[in-house]
Amino acid sequence: DIQMTQSPSSLSASVGDRVTITCQAGQDIRKFLNWYQQKPGKAPKLLIYDASKLEAGAPSRFSGSGSGTYFTFTISSLQPEDIATYYCQQYDNVPPSFGGGTKVEI
Amino acid sequence: EVQLVQSGGNLVLPGGSLRLSCAVSGFTVNNNYMTWIRQAPGKGLEWVSLIHSGGDTHYADSVKGRFTISRDKSNNTLYLQMNSLRSDDTAIYYCARVRLAAHFDFWGQGTLVTVSS
Repeated sequence: DIQMTQSPSSLSASVGDRVTITCQAGQDIRKFLNWYQQKPGKAPKLLIYDASKLEAGAPSRFSGSGSGTYFTFTISSLQPEDIATYYCQQYDNVPPSFGGGTKVEI
Repeated sequence: EVQLVQSGGNLVLPGGSLRLSCAVSGFTVNNNYMTWIRQAPGKGLEWVSLIHSGGDTHYADSVKGRFTISRDKSNNTLYLQMNSLRSDDTAIYYCARVRLAAHFDFWGQGTLVTVSS
């Protein structure tokens, strides 16, 4: 199974700040990585797929980059509605596996 | 409009069984990969099971031999049969579509399974 390590586990930032989350895979997963946003009491929502592609309808302030074992997720200008927990997830191998999550607070 | 409407979650005794349902509208379950993911209280996301469009199935080691994923073409519904339930199966269970066998793009609202005496 591929281990996914996310950091930090939580962060606090101000409205308008640039926020970056990292995700490291235990082995090369090429570009087979997704990022999800989960707000309290809600199902996760796909934001970024294939490491860097923005899901239709997702705000353009969200972006992703990376390949191989190291990936980053960025919110270019944090908004109040971005308060949530963010998860990376690899799909290069079964079982698909998630990072531990990053809780973003203001 | 795509909708995944879940049902079946409940309080069940350890060793008991439960069947979760995920009724889909807006696409055909049999033509897509579908998956179950769970989230224990206050914890992160854990993948549980996957069914290919062709019918092949996969399971997390933690549920293998106890859980069975299936689908019904006639009512366009995905199922998760859960047997020999344990306290560590307590979680919110989500169903999701797996677009292009890769991206979990549409999710159900989640259903709570509590295993406790």
